This record gives sequence, C-alpha cells and structure tokens, in this order.
Amino acid sequence: SAVISQKPSRDICQRGTSLTIQCQVDSQVTMMFWYRQQPGQSLTLIATANQGSEATYESGFVIDKFPISRPNLTFSTLTVSNMSPEDSSIYLCSVGDGNRQAFFGQGTRLTVV
Amino acid sequence: QKEVEQNSGPLSVPEGAIASLNCTYSDRVSQSFFWYRQYSGKSPELIMSIYSNGDKEDGRFTAQLNKASQYVSLLIRDSQPSDSATYLCAVNPGGSYIPTFGRGTSLIVHP
Repeated sequence: SAVISQKPSRDICQRGTSLTIQCQVDSQVTMMFWYRQQPGQSLTLIATANQGSEATYESGFVIDKFPISRPNLTFSTLTVSNMSPEDSSIYLCSVGDGNRQAFFGQGTRLTVV
Repeated sequence: QKEVEQNSGPLSVPEGAIASLNCTYSDRVSQSFFWYRQYSGKSPELIMSIYSNGDKEDGRFTAQLNKASQYVSLLIRDSQPSDSATYLCAVNPGGSYIPTFGRGTSLIVHP
C-alpha cells in the first residue's frame, strides 16, 4: 500500500484563523479523500480531492470553509478556514486502491481555542 | 442514506478468548467490506477485506460475510491486550470506491 505522509500531526489554533493540512503520497493515486473524525465519533467524509478540478464535497461541507487543492496525483491540501472551537477534530487524508480499500495518513489533531 | 451499524461497546474479553465484533449494513447491493483497527490517538489501519460470502482468515483474524442477512463480522482468536482498540466496519455501497464507516466497537482485552 502507498505511504501517506500528513502534516502537521497536530496544531493548536486561534479561532478565526485558518490551517492548511498537507497530504503527500509516495506513489500516484487516483482517489484521494479527506475525512473528519470528531471525538468519540466515526469518520465523516468531507470531500473527494479531484486532480485538476474542483473537489467534490459531501453534504454539510462547503468549499469556502474547507477549500481543497489537488495539483497532482501525489499531493493534496485541506484548509480549515475561519476556525471555531467546533472545528476541533482529527482530520485524515485517505487514498483508495483498485480493490476499494482505503488507507490513511497519520492524521492531524486540531484544537481551536 | 446508506448506513453501517455497530455496537459501540465496550466489548470486554479476557486474554486468550475469542472476540466477536459485528456489523450490519443497509445497502443491499454493497460489494466490498472492510475492518479497520484504530488505536487511541492513531489513524485507522486496514486489517481485513472481504468481498464474497463466507469466511476469510488471516492469522488470528477471521472475517465473515453474509450478504443475504447484510451482516459482516470479525472474529479475533487468542485475543491479546495489544488487540485493545476500536474496530471500525466499513462498507462500500453499490459500486462506490468510497467507504461508509460505522461508529466503531471498542474492544478491551484484559489480562
């Protein structure tokens, strides 16, 4: 499986600011996704990062709040904009393979104060 | 909405016992089923994939799939304290490449 490097691993941010999370994969992948995992909860898909086009967002998530870039097949960023304490969560980058298996980066633990 | 249901637990078993984790799903045409293990503070790790009815064994882990009953389970034999984690069931609805995750079952293996 691909090696997925995500950074930062954690951050504490002031409300109203923005944080950009980076995801680097060691091989070209077609499918790349961003998830959020709130404390004690399961994974919620934020969006599919599409190379060369706008990301596809799930219900409840909008581009202005969670802009995503995917400049090539090995890299993506997720920005959490105008943060509030409710954005405190773990954000996970994920890639999919041809067998529909998903693999995850180490995650970014975000705390908004 | 496609749903994946799991008992949140915690499921507590003694060391050496068999742990049985269960999952049901709502989308009858789902084709791909997965179990992930997530240690506290870590990201999910894929431990089992199953695509057809029956059992699939990998070391101490056995995944069982029953599409007619829309039910998938994970058995962990000879449970170890290091197996203590949250186990997430994931199902790909229809032909989707994007899994839907259950809320996870917390497993505690006590010495």
